[in-house]
Amino acid sequence: DAGVIQSPRHEVTEMGQEVTLRCKPISGHDYLFWYRQTMMRGLELLIYFNNNVPIDDSGMPEDRFSAKMPNASFSTLKIQPSEPRDSAVYFCASSSGHQETQYFGPGTRLLVL
Amino acid sequence: AQSVTQPDIHITVSEGASLELRCNYSYGATPYLFWYVQSPGQGLQLLLKYFSGDTLVQGIKGFEAEFKRSQSSFNLRKPSVHWSDAAEYFCAVGAANFGNEKLTFGTGTRLTIIP
Repeated sequence: DAGVIQSPRHEVTEMGQEVTLRCKPISGHDYLFWYRQTMMRGLELLIYFNNNVPIDDSGMPEDRFSAKMPNASFSTLKIQPSEPRDSAVYFCASSSGHQETQYFGPGTRLLVL
Repeated sequence: AQSVTQPDIHITVSEGASLELRCNYSYGATPYLFWYVQSPGQGLQLLLKYFSGDTLVQGIKGFEAEFKRSQSSFNLRKPSVHWSDAAEYFCAVGAANFGNEKLTFGTGTRLTIIP
């Protein structure tokens, strides 16, 4: 079992650039979650999907953020344009059912200069 | 809305000593409760979870937690810590109703182990 896979692991970009974070959930899992972790705000849920459909995006900070899940094995989180305050670690997690264990990926550490 | 409070930002414990990390939650119904651990540079790993039944829950790595409804608490314990337990620990609360999969995490407690 490869676990949740995220890419890239590290991303450094300049303010105003587009950033795309990628996630491959565990095969067979039908829930996918995107989280952001910062020192100031801790771990926040941004959005989650069930069967590729966005269920709750109330945590998405603003219109600059968008997430898609075109199929059961792939999801993206896009920031356009990026800002320095978007610097954080972004985690993807997946699970197999209602309140089942969420398995976290290793995270993408994003630095926006 | 659900919320979680972890009152201790940082705890230092001697190796071999006992450990208790505090977690208080706020939720209008019976909650689902979780403890996750995060090692430096890693994602979160589930230690244990409580859904219903026995209020004392056993987890991995020798951890246990006790659900106390009257105190709205779900404290994590370990009788004897090892140096490898140094990490950040997160308590989380989820909703029992189907259709709501959100987890709300506490701000975490950083655990330092001294020889």
